[in-house]
Amino acid sequence: QPVLTQPPSFSASPGESARLTCTLPSDINVGTYNIYWYQQKPGSPPRFLLYYYSDSDKGQGSGVPSRFSGSKDASANTGTLLISGLQSEDEADYYCMLWLTNAWVFGGGTKVTVL
Amino acid sequence: QMQLQESGPGLVKPSETLSLTCAVSGVSIISSSSHYWGWIRQPPGKGLEWVASIFYTGNTKYNPSLKSRATMFEDTSKKRFSLRLSSVTAADTAVYYCVRADCTSSSCLISYWGQGTLVTVSS
Repeated sequence: QPVLTQPPSFSASPGESARLTCTLPSDINVGTYNIYWYQQKPGSPPRFLLYYYSDSDKGQGSGVPSRFSGSKDASANTGTLLISGLQSEDEADYYCMLWLTNAWVFGGGTKVTVL
Repeated sequence: QMQLQESGPGLVKPSETLSLTCAVSGVSIISSSSHYWGWIRQPPGKGLEWVASIFYTGNTKYNPSLKSRATMFEDTSKKRFSLRLSSVTAADTAVYYCVRADCTSSSCLISYWGQGTLVTVSS
């Protein structure tokens, strides 16, 4: 199973932006796949935030604010979740996910702390 | 509205078989060719790991890291599906989530999650 690499932690103050990365193994081209992002708070299952394939092919989860957005960096082979204007309620674990034809692969998660 | 509910023993002894069931309400497992059903697990304090998935045709896929210990199947009533994991060790201790995904040929979004059930492997 390939591993998606996420930084284990991120912290910022309210109102600042968070850019969370998800790095794919070199043998998996980020340009080929949807990157899915999930938010998980303690004691709850993950919640779908959004997926990103391209600027013309992306989707937001139901009720997810527009300050959550996705992007890709082909040169770094990464997917990115951007959280603009951090709020205290954004404190959670964030996971990226790929669907590799019959198998789901997750990143290790990034714990976001709002100072 | 569709709901998923996991059930099973919270404690399993090492080397024994873990058995979990996911009750599906609000929709039939065979209601749509775009749905995958699956199991995701999360060890305490750790990240998410795909365990197994099943298509409405009954075709199953498993995480290779489980080394053929996992078996997933549908109940004939088509209102639930189950997971069996044999020869468990402490490393199998986790919250197990049953999920439903909405899939196309190029994407497969996990849209619904059960609340999860904690399974502890201990003697």
